[in-house]
Amino acid sequence: DGGITQSPKYLFRKEGQNVTLSCEQNLNHDAMYWYRQDPGQGLRLIYYSQIVNDFQKGDIAEGYSVSREKKESFPLTVTSAQKNPTAFYLCAAAPGGGGYGYTFGSGTRLTVV
Amino acid sequence: DQQVKQNSPSLSVQEGRISILNCDYTNSMFDYFLWYKKYPAEGPTFLISISSIKDKNEDGRFTVFLNKSAKHLSLHIVPSQPGDSAVYFCAARGPSLGGASGTYKYIFGTGTRLKVLA
Repeated sequence: DGGITQSPKYLFRKEGQNVTLSCEQNLNHDAMYWYRQDPGQGLRLIYYSQIVNDFQKGDIAEGYSVSREKKESFPLTVTSAQKNPTAFYLCAAAPGGGGYGYTFGSGTRLTVV
Repeated sequence: DQQVKQNSPSLSVQEGRISILNCDYTNSMFDYFLWYKKYPAEGPTFLISISSIKDKNEDGRFTVFLNKSAKHLSLHIVPSQPGDSAVYFCAARGPSLGGASGTYKYIFGTGTRLKVLA
């Protein structure tokens, strides 16, 4: 059963800490994405990667970092430089070519305490 | 600059009636549109899509209408069921992100929370 697995579902972070959100896919899709959702706002693109070992900044990349060492995995690190990290984070994947939408993971809710 | 707008943050509809969710966009270059459905604490799931060469696409209880001249699309759900209660996002396919894989960026609206009353 193909899909995207995000973990953990809920994450609490203290001020000044870095945390890493996991995203794994078994869809064999080339492209992977990280979005952030805040109340009353649309989904905003943080980072994306079209192939292994390559990734690009999205619209709100400041305070975040990613890696793409394997096709299946695209972890997101929320660094202490991110001023307002409390949000719902969504990982997505899409096949190359065509551009017919994403498959999303179930999300990670990050809360700064 | 919000290129995709959903001006109604919420909508309540009686079970069995029609739900109409609206979405407006500003960029006439958008050529493909999607609707996603999202339950709390879950990721969005794809619902229905439409290409700009069409003005209607239907899938069971769900129909999407596209009015290119007005830069407006709408999602009709008939009949509405309590299980349809969720947040609905419209999304427009933006520019290609380049590269060999031919992937695209999607621009999302802010969502409309639909509540279907039993």
